Amino acid sequence: GAVVSQHPSRVICKSGTSVKIECRSLDFQATTMFWYRQFPKQSLMLMATSNEGSKATYEQGVEKDKFLINHASLTLSTLTVTSAHPEDSSFYICSANKWGGSGANVLTFGAGSRLTVL
Amino acid sequence: GESVGLHLPTLSVQEGDNSIINCAYSNSASDYFIWYKQESGKGPQFIIDIRSNMDKRQGQRVTVLLNKTVKHLSLQIAATQPGDSAVYFCAENILAGGTSYGKLTFGQGTILTVHP
Repeated sequence: GAVVSQHPSRVICKSGTSVKIECRSLDFQATTMFWYRQFPKQSLMLMATSNEGSKATYEQGVEKDKFLINHASLTLSTLTVTSAHPEDSSFYICSANKWGGSGANVLTFGAGSRLTVL
Repeated sequence: GESVGLHLPTLSVQEGDNSIINCAYSNSASDYFIWYKQESGKGPQFIIDIRSNMDKRQGQRVTVLLNKTVKHLSLQIAATQPGDSAVYFCAENILAGGTSYGKLTFGQGTILTVHP
């Protein structure tokens, strides 16, 4: 199968601190990963496309300096929320595209990371 | 940006009934559609997909119908079970050109509650 792991699953931090969330493809290589944000009782909104070995592509309205994305290897992308504030509290979910695959059954989502900023 | 204060539509059914969840998509250029199930505190789980050259596709207990004329997608769940209770999202993508696979636009979502 295609398994995507996120860590941590839950994190609580103080306002002004930075938090790093990891997204790993466990049994496949992913040249492209995607980061979504989901507020309570709302849908998923694409934040950015993470490209292995190059800069991430951010969606309109997403601050690239606030949400730092690093995709340094074919199995790991990280999202760092810098200087977090309470309004950044959300459920962050990544998905990974299995290299060379096609069809949704190789576009796998992680279990999500719940960020709470106090 | 996100829609503040939006409440997800809800659907309540009895165990054993058939459920129909609807979705209106926005981009007429979208050519690939996926239904996801999301349980509380978890990531989306793939249910079924359909390409725009089809209008119906069946899986195990699920059927997806696509009406491109009115940009409408539906998910039918047969013999709904309590374990089907979750939030269901449709998502759209553009496969043509091959540059945006995986960049999904999610619909609003529907909360399905199945009563025993």
